[in-house]
Amino acid sequence: QAVVTQEPSLTVSPGGAVTLTCASSAAAVTSDNWPNWFQQKPGQAPRTLIYRTSHKHSWTPARFSGSLLGGKAALTLSGVQPEDEADYYCLLYFGGTWVFGGGTKLTVL
Amino acid sequence: QITLKESGPTLVKPTQTLTLMCTFSGFSLSTNEVAVGWIRQPPGKALEWLALIYGDDDKRYSPSLNNRLTITKDTSRNQVVLTMTNMDPVDTATYFCAHRQDSSFDLWGRGTLVSVSS
Repeated sequence: QAVVTQEPSLTVSPGGAVTLTCASSAAAVTSDNWPNWFQQKPGQAPRTLIYRTSHKHSWTPARFSGSLLGGKAALTLSGVQPEDEADYYCLLYFGGTWVFGGGTKLTVL
Repeated sequence: QITLKESGPTLVKPTQTLTLMCTFSGFSLSTNEVAVGWIRQPPGKALEWLALIYGDDDKRYSPSLNNRLTITKDTSRNQVVLTMTNMDPVDTATYFCAHRQDSSFDLWGRGTLVSVSS
């Protein structure tokens, strides 16, 4: 089973930009891995932000975007807001099963 | 409006079998385009994908837990049931169910905390 790796923690200033990445131990991440990105705040269920690499849900703020970057899935936040402080998880598909990354704790400071 | 709600015991003993139910509304689990999955999260730790069932009854399991998990559905009752055998304290976690469509686990239940202790 592939291991999915994310940055454990990142810090960004309000109004700044930050990119979170999601790597696979099996191979470079591609659109065939159907990358999903989730935001989770303390005591809450995860909320889906991005699916199929770059598709947004109706509730996804415009400042969030997904892409593939250097063999990894990436989530970019532009114009970070204080309420973006949260844990972020990626999820990758591997031919019938799914694997979550270990999560990135994003601090807005 | 799609909603999902998890239910089950809050406490189980080691070696017991856990049975969790996901009751949903707002969609029908009757085609292969729609699925319901289970995900868990130990306290303070990362999410872990466990299992998924499609509307055509195709089932998928996490390889690391495959021999302990069974997922079933009752389409008429809008329910999905997950059983996990041989529970251990390391299985203490919040268990979530989620709706999946168009490659997205888009909507989740609030989760139910299950503790494993003697």
